[in-house]
Amino acid sequence: KAGVTQTPRYLIKTRGQQVTLSCSPISGHRSVSWYQQTPGQGLQFLFEYFSETQRNKGNFPGRFSGRQFSNSRSEMNVSTLELGDSALYLCASSSGGPSTQYFGPGTRLLVL
Amino acid sequence: KNEVEQSPQNLTAQEGEFITINCSYSVGISALHWLQQHPGGGIVSLFMLSSGKKKHGRLIATINIQEKHSSLHITASHPRDSAVYICAVRSETSGSRLTFGEGTQLTVNP
Repeated sequence: KAGVTQTPRYLIKTRGQQVTLSCSPISGHRSVSWYQQTPGQGLQFLFEYFSETQRNKGNFPGRFSGRQFSNSRSEMNVSTLELGDSALYLCASSSGGPSTQYFGPGTRLLVL
Repeated sequence: KNEVEQSPQNLTAQEGEFITINCSYSVGISALHWLQQHPGGGIVSLFMLSSGKKKHGRLIATINIQEKHSSLHITASHPRDSAVYICAVRSETSGSRLTFGEGTQLTVNP
């Protein structure tokens, strides 16, 4: 079974731009969660989607948004990028509920 | 105070040593996860626990729900175990949201 994939793997943007990251979960998984990892704040939960509905949201500004498609693939969008948005963005998929999460390799975003 | 605290932050061991990493949390939880992150960023889920003890190869994870504490043990450590180990909890009241500890950087020298 193929693992979780994320595209792109690396991205460089400038302040004020917007960015869209993509995550394809393991086949059959309906839950996709997104996380941000920075040296200063560590790993933080962004949001979770289950069956195309946002089920939970972390403490991030409205510039961070996401969606999930009927095939469970998910995208997250960050608008009006700030320097502090430079981070590793990870997605993880699971079958839903308190089950093991399988992480993708991440997208490393650098905002200049 | 963070909801999830790990100790130690850094740990250096010689190959073959027995290693323990601790995780304490302050909220009621539905599950606790131990994760491993290698340089480059990839994260692997090692264990998910809600009670008792689990073992996989040389790794053992235990949890004491009453004391709000979990430990990750590595027996016969090897240089390939060098990584960051992260504890994360799924609280009873926050649904699917995971809250993470700061991680423990483990270096195992040959």
